[in-house]
Amino acid sequence: NFMLTQPHSVSESPGKTVTISCTGNSGSIASNYVQWYQQRPGSAPTTVISENNQRPSGVPDRFSGSIDTSSNSASLTISGLKTEDEADYYCQSFADNSWVFGGGTKLTVL
Amino acid sequence: VQLVQSGTEVKKPGDSLKISCKGSGFSFTTYWIGWVRQMPGKGLELMGIIYPYDSDARYNPSFQGQVTISADKSINTAYLQWSSLKASDTGIYYCARILTFGGLIEYWGQGTLVTVSS
Repeated sequence: NFMLTQPHSVSESPGKTVTISCTGNSGSIASNYVQWYQQRPGSAPTTVISENNQRPSGVPDRFSGSIDTSSNSASLTISGLKTEDEADYYCQSFADNSWVFGGGTKLTVL
Repeated sequence: VQLVQSGTEVKKPGDSLKISCKGSGFSFTTYWIGWVRQMPGKGLELMGIIYPYDSDARYNPSFQGQVTISADKSINTAYLQWSSLKASDTGIYYCARILTFGGLIEYWGQGTLVTVSS
């Protein structure tokens, strides 16, 4: 079964840059688009990156997405970290007739 | 665009349940609508999606046969239904507007908390 693996948690200071990885266990991560979702505590998720690297309207350009086929992984990079970025982040894609989310990464900004 | 879900539910094991998601501000029949589960303290799982125009429903394999997704296009509403709830169905259920079959979620509902306890 296709799976996406994310680090359980990352932490960084305000103003710094952090990158969250999302690694596929088989096939090619480039075969289908990867999306990234942000979920703040007690709130519904929101979409921060669609189709590997597209920012929906209203998402600051501090958020960017990329794909690395050599490591079969996708990445979400957040620059100029703000305390409001503290949240859980999930990657998501589609493979083997299944929609798959990564397990989520808790970002702490301290 | 708005997706407004029905309210909190508290049920007993073995009960049936149908929760709803009403869309507005867009053409409801021309987008996939999906349901996402979040068990307590856990991550997101896309259960399945439906195309309200013709009620074509697709399920993630782990949810096939466990729930039923339906839609009534006349009232712009999608549904998620259980025939016999289990304690393990406890969680928050989000509906979502999906742009592509690959699961690109553009908009999310506010979530419906379902608690199943004896």
